[in-house]
Formats: sequence, C-alpha cells, structure tokens
Amino acid sequence: DAGITQSPRHKVTETGTPVTLRCHQTENHRYMYWYRQDPGHGLRLIHYSYGVKDTDKGEVSDGYSVSRSKTEDFLLTLESATSSQTSVYFCAISPGTSLYEQYFGPGTRLTVT
Amino acid sequence: GENVEQHPSTLSVQEGDSAVIKCTYSDSASNYFPWYKQELGKRPQLIIDIRSNVGEKKDQRIAVTLNKTAKHFSLHITETQPEDSAVYFCAASGGGGGADGLTFGKGTHLIIQP
Repeated sequence: DAGITQSPRHKVTETGTPVTLRCHQTENHRYMYWYRQDPGHGLRLIHYSYGVKDTDKGEVSDGYSVSRSKTEDFLLTLESATSSQTSVYFCAISPGTSLYEQYFGPGTRLTVT
Repeated sequence: GENVEQHPSTLSVQEGDSAVIKCTYSDSASNYFPWYKQELGKRPQLIIDIRSNVGEKKDQRIAVTLNKTAKHFSLHITETQPEDSAVYFCAASGGGGGADGLTFGKGTHLIIQP
C-alpha cells in the first residue's frame, strides 16, 4: 500500500485540546496531502506540501496547521480541537513528476468530545 | 475553485450487469480525472484515471470516458461481481494537474445484487 503509514489510527480527545496527526512515507515522494472525509461530503483537501518546508492551504484549512521538516513526514495539527473536526483523516502521497496520481494512507479516525 | 458533481449517490445492479457512474466538473483547466474505490473502513484506492488528452481508457472490466467539451466523465464497470460492491469517488485536478490536490465528488455507493 504505497509505503504510507498514519498515526495514531484512532484517537478520542476533548474539545479545546491540541492534537497532532502524523503521516509517514517510505517512497521519497515530493507531494503529500491531508484530506478529511465526512459522510455526505466525500474527501476534502485540508493542506498539502510540495517539498520540505513548502506547504499550502486547501479547501478546508481553517483550524488546521501543518509542518513538513523531513521528506518522509507530514504533520497535521489541530491547535484547539472542536467537535466539527470529528472526522476520518487521510494522508496521500504523489510522486509529482509528470504524474500526480495520489495514493492514500490507512486513515486516522478522530473523535472530539 | 473546482466543483465536482457525482451521480447517482446509490446504484444497485444485478450481478453480471453493467454499472455507470457519472461526474461533471466546473474548471475547464482540469486535466486529470482519477477514480477511487473505497470499501467499508478502508482507504480509497486508485482504480483508473484519465488525462485530458485522452477520450477513453480501459482496464479489464472498467473503463473511463471523458468529454472535455461537456465537462463530464464517467466510470463504466462491466460484468459486475460481488467484490465490486463499494463506494466509488470521482475527482478532478483543477488546473494544477493534481499537484495542488484533488476535488472529489461525494461518492456513489454501488451495490451488486446476487
């Protein structure tokens, strides 16, 4: 499955607490993405990265920040979790040469109570 | 930004029949259109994709067609089997070819009736 792992796989947290989700790849791909998946909404892009320390916002970036200090790791942080951020979070990677096909990690199910 | 509409939201077909899922997109600069299959509790998996310089692409029982003029693309599954039951998502790249992310449709739940 394209050498992508996500941690944790499940997390329950309380409103107002900070949360960091990790995406790790072994493919040395340049492009990495964070999406959230909610019933009735499909997958929506939160943030993406096109290289170490190079990131940009997606469609639903409010309340989220990201960091990429190494090629293999892309972190998603919820500074102060809210119930509306309860979701399944998927990381994706892409080789980003002439092709931009994306391969997804196993997902993290986050519940904010 | 890009907007992708997907229909139908649920599709039930008899085993062995064909299934067709349709998507429309809004950004005429979009040039990459992948399809993903997601089984319950699993990650989305890329099953086929098409680029804007191609009108049709086939891979065994699945095919995708693209009409750039009308800005719509479709997934065709022939000789459906029970293992085809899943949620299918279409996506469009926008003008960046996918480098700056994909815009997804809301999904089609395909049910294969025995």
